[in-house]
Amino acid sequence: KAGVTQTPRYLIKTRGQQVTLSCSPISGHRSVSWYQQTPGQGLQFLFEYFSETQRNKGNFPGRFSGRQFSNSRSEMNVSTLELGDSALYLCASSLADNSPLHFGNGTRLTVT
Amino acid sequence: DQQVKQNSPSLSVQEGRISILNCDYTNSMFDYFLWYKKYPAEGPTFLISISSIKDKNEDGRFTVFLNKSAKHLSLHIVPSQPGDSAVYFCAGVGMNRDDKIIFGKGTRLHILP
Repeated sequence: KAGVTQTPRYLIKTRGQQVTLSCSPISGHRSVSWYQQTPGQGLQFLFEYFSETQRNKGNFPGRFSGRQFSNSRSEMNVSTLELGDSALYLCASSLADNSPLHFGNGTRLTVT
Repeated sequence: DQQVKQNSPSLSVQEGRISILNCDYTNSMFDYFLWYKKYPAEGPTFLISISSIKDKNEDGRFTVFLNKSAKHLSLHIVPSQPGDSAVYFCAGVGMNRDDKIIFGKGTRLHILP
């Protein structure tokens, strides 16, 4: 069974631009969540989607948004990029509530 | 407010010895806890979990201990192997369906030859 796939793996953008990251969950997984990882901050929760509905949201500004499609694939969008948005963005899917998360390898975003 | 704390940013252990990674939490509503391991340039992978009704869970070389009264859990790896060098994240999950997983900041484990 294929794992969680995130594209692209690496991305370089300039301040003020916007970016869209994509995540394909494991087949059959309906829950998709997104995390931001920065040095010293660990994994910070962005949002979670289940059956195309945002079920939970972390403490990030409105520039960070996401959506989930009917095939469970998810995208996250960051508008008006800032230097501090440079991070590894991880997507994870899970089979059911209280099931372990399965992470993709992440998209490393660099904002210059 | 950090609900899950991993107070040691890094830890070095000799190969073959026991590695003990610690985690403290403040949220008494956590229903179960998980440990994830992360290599550079890869996403975290699930390692082991423990329900709040248990005090120990073992899987091969990995054992997680939970002390609810102290709000403390630890991951023991014995014997430690070179491939165990990675960042380890502790996480807690509440009992409600909408509760999100809260991760600690991670501990980087170095296994020394």
